[in-house]
Amino acid sequence: ETGVTQTPRHLVMGMTNKKSLKCEQHLGHNAMYWYKQSAKKPLELMFVYSLEERVENNSVPSRFSPECPNSSHLFLHLHTLQPEDSALYLCASSQGTGTLETQYFGPGTRLLVL
Amino acid sequence: ELKVEQNPLFLSMQEGKNYTIYCNYSTTSDRLYWYRQDPGKSLESLFVLLSNGAVKQEGRLMASLDTKARLSTLHITAAVHDLSATYFCAVDKRASGSRLTFGEGTQLTVNP
Repeated sequence: ETGVTQTPRHLVMGMTNKKSLKCEQHLGHNAMYWYKQSAKKPLELMFVYSLEERVENNSVPSRFSPECPNSSHLFLHLHTLQPEDSALYLCASSQGTGTLETQYFGPGTRLLVL
Repeated sequence: ELKVEQNPLFLSMQEGKNYTIYCNYSTTSDRLYWYRQDPGKSLESLFVLLSNGAVKQEGRLMASLDTKARLSTLHITAAVHDLSATYFCAVDKRASGSRLTFGEGTQLTVNP
């Protein structure tokens, strides 16, 4: 595998379910991100991890819980979601200490909450 | 709060034509990015612009940055169908550790 991978690619869940999204980066980066992309809205930054520590939480509801066990893996744990949480969830990584901190994105997980 | 606005949001053009997408942002920024997203696919980095007057070109796409006007442009020359995609600009105002604020995206359709 190369670049940034995400699983699953598609997920349908009920409002009472618990599920997790997984992201893995194979680029040797030390920063990872979760974004939400809703229809007709700009990408919204949700969480930022740098060197496995959460450095930013952009007022995201507690029903979204991130976890970064190491610099290559990032999870987003989901529980008791609402239909308005249906969106494309994108993971990205970057080399946080570099001068050109381009973020490399994964393919996303398309989430539908019923 | 940093705001990033793109226009147009939708652009339909014919092959062979030229057009420009505009990206305005509201506060001083360290750097500006352009990304491309194909339907059902992830975002692909196109350009990183780091200073006032920066210009970068790749194929039929050319991006420029005017930090005084807080404006970036993405110019398309002699469009081809393969350029059909959604184009996002994103602004990063942090000196270390990217914190990107994205525009809404411009959905470009190039018709034969």
